[in-house]
Amino acid sequence: AQSVTQPDIHITVSEGASLELRCNYSYGATPYLFWYVQSPGQGLQLLLKYFSGDTLVQGIKGFEAEFKRSQSSFNLRKPSVHWSDAAEYFCAVGGVGGSNYKLTFGKGTLLTVNP
Amino acid sequence: GAVVSQHPSRVICKSGTSVKIECRSLDFQATTMFWYRQFPKQSLMLMATSNEGSKATYEQGVEKDKFLINHASLTLSTLTVTSAHPEDSSFYICSARSQHLMGFTDTQYFGPGTRLTVL
Repeated sequence: AQSVTQPDIHITVSEGASLELRCNYSYGATPYLFWYVQSPGQGLQLLLKYFSGDTLVQGIKGFEAEFKRSQSSFNLRKPSVHWSDAAEYFCAVGGVGGSNYKLTFGKGTLLTVNP
Repeated sequence: GAVVSQHPSRVICKSGTSVKIECRSLDFQATTMFWYRQFPKQSLMLMATSNEGSKATYEQGVEKDKFLINHASLTLSTLTVTSAHPEDSSFYICSARSQHLMGFTDTQYFGPGTRLTVL
């Protein structure tokens, strides 16, 4: 069964500081990996995704993530956080075809940005 | 591109009534849509997978007679909460699956969610 672990429930950073949100996954084959962001009372917005190829993927809003197969990780990074980045971040894993395209989400990491 | 809408964004209803939530993919066709439920400060829980032209597939523990799903076209899926009770109050989010076989990508795009409150 596939699973996602986001070890940090809540992270607080200062505006302008760098950010890394951790994500570890369990999946039996090559995974599709996603990071989504959710603002309060809103749906989920796709930040970036990894399917294959270059293990460092660039997303929207200046975010990037690196797929490390040996560590089963897909950590999200941003070099300089903006106050508008405060939100809940979800890592998700899925597959291809059949029932494997279902996404399994982590429990989320709430990001607070201090001025 | 890849915009998904939901209607209504908020709904308040009395216990025992039924509520219909619509999910539309605005600029792409989606043979598969998904319905999730999210409790406060928690992750998304997949309720069911909606396939155009066929019956929905429900996750274990989800009552199919209570949560009726219809996927009548390639751009519209509806979730009807029948005989709603206060414990059905939640945030319901849909997503639409976008597949590009040539590019070999498979991504779910999410709607903005519907807040259901059952009095």
